[in-house]
Amino acid sequence: AQRVTQPEKLLSVFKGAPVELKCNYSYSGSPELFWYVQYSRQRLQLLLRHISRESIKGFTADLNKGETSFHLKKPFAQEEDSAMYYCALIRQTGANNLFFGTGTRLTVIP
Amino acid sequence: NAGVMQNPRHLVRRRGQEARLRCSPMKGHSHVYWYRQLPEEGLKFMVYLQKENIIDESGMPKERFSAEFPKEGPSILRIQQVVRGDSAAYFCASSGTSGSYYNEQFFGPGTRLTVL
Repeated sequence: AQRVTQPEKLLSVFKGAPVELKCNYSYSGSPELFWYVQYSRQRLQLLLRHISRESIKGFTADLNKGETSFHLKKPFAQEEDSAMYYCALIRQTGANNLFFGTGTRLTVIP
Repeated sequence: NAGVMQNPRHLVRRRGQEARLRCSPMKGHSHVYWYRQLPEEGLKFMVYLQKENIIDESGMPKERFSAEFPKEGPSILRIQQVVRGDSAAYFCASSGTSGSYYNEQFFGPGTRLTVL
């Protein structure tokens, strides 16, 4: 069975400080990993996916298969980064349903 | 394009009543997914539908829950004889078909169901 774990429910950092949101997964195959974000009063939206190897809004995430992790990082946090962040995976085989972690609420303190 | 629409945004039902949640996918999308978020938990997959077909209902409770996506009109998630444990936020997502392995899912604002 697949599982996504986000160990931190809440995370607070000061503006300009580095931020790392942790995500670990378990799945016997080779999943595809995503980060979704939900800003206040907005819908859940895709932030980035590991297969794209891109940086969105200064965020990056590297898939570490050895540690089964997909941590989200940004070198300098901004106030507008305050939001709820969800790590998710999709099985490489099977349907397109996403498996989500429980989320981390990031607060960037001015 | 207004994006994925869900209604109602808030729904209050008494135990034993029926709840009907509607989802209109983005224009041009033919794939719909329903997720449920219980308090303090992440979103959990319930069902994946294409027009007139249920593709994967592995996350649906065996009883009282059903879903449809008719040829015309929105997708409907129906919960019969609701119980307090059904209180949750229900999210719908839709995707198109681009031919790639994963088609991005676009989420609606959710329906918050409260069972009294």
